[in-house]
Amino acid sequence: EVQLVESGGDLVQPGGSLRLSCAASGFTFDSYAMNWVRQAPGKGLEWVSSISGNGGSTFYADSVKGRFTISRDNSKNTLYLQISSLRADDTAVYYCVKLRHQFVGATGDSWGQGTLVTVSS
Amino acid sequence: SYVLTQPPSVSVAPGKTARITCGGNNFGSKSVHWFQQKPGQAPVLVIYYDSDRPSGIPERFSGSNSGNTATLTISRVEAGDEADYYCQVWDSTTDHYVFGSGAKVTVL
Repeated sequence: EVQLVESGGDLVQPGGSLRLSCAASGFTFDSYAMNWVRQAPGKGLEWVSSISGNGGSTFYADSVKGRFTISRDNSKNTLYLQISSLRADDTAVYYCVKLRHQFVGATGDSWGQGTLVTVSS
Repeated sequence: SYVLTQPPSVSVAPGKTARITCGGNNFGSKSVHWFQQKPGQAPVLVIYYDSDRPSGIPERFSGSNSGNTATLTISRVEAGDEADYYCQVWDSTTDHYVFGSGAKVTVL
C-alpha cells in the first residue's frame, strides 16, 4: 500500500524558511515522479512543484519560482520542499503527491494527508 | 497561463445523474484528470486520461473529453458523493500543471 507522510509544517514569520519532508513507502520510490500541491484555507488546489524520478528534472509554479526548491533523496525514499522568503499567501496545507510515471506530466494517483504551513507575524 | 473553468456548484438529487464540466482551450491535445475531495480529507483521483477509472473507484464515475469541454459524470448519485471535484491537466507549453477552480457537488 502506498503511504506518503508529510512533515515539517509550522507557524513561521514572513520572510522565514522551512523544509517540508514527505516519507514514501509501499512503492519503488525512484521509479515515480512526485509533486507538491498546496491548498490555502477554504480555497482550491494549486500545483507548486514537480520532480522526476531520478531528480534530474524539476518544475515550479510561477508563484514560487526562485523561493522554493524541490529535491528528493531516493536512498531515503524521501521528497523535500525547501521554502523560503515566505509570504502570507503561502499559508496552506502542502500535499505530497505520487505521480503515475517516472516523468513529470502524468497525473497523481496517491496523496499524503498534508502538512500545514502558516505564515504570520 | 492556461485556465480551466468549472462551475462553482452542482446540485443533484439522490439517484440522479450529476455532470461536472471543465472548460479549456484546445482540450483535444491534453488529457484531463479528475479529483474528489471530501471535507477535511486529501484529494482522491477518480478519473485519469479523460475516462479511465482507478481501481476502487465505482463504475458510477465516468469521464469524457470532447472539443473544449471535459465532463465528469456521476450516475446514481449517493449522499457520499458530496464533495469538491477538481479537473487537472498538464500544460506542456509551459511545463505546468493546472487545476480547475473546483466544483462543489451538493446532494439534495
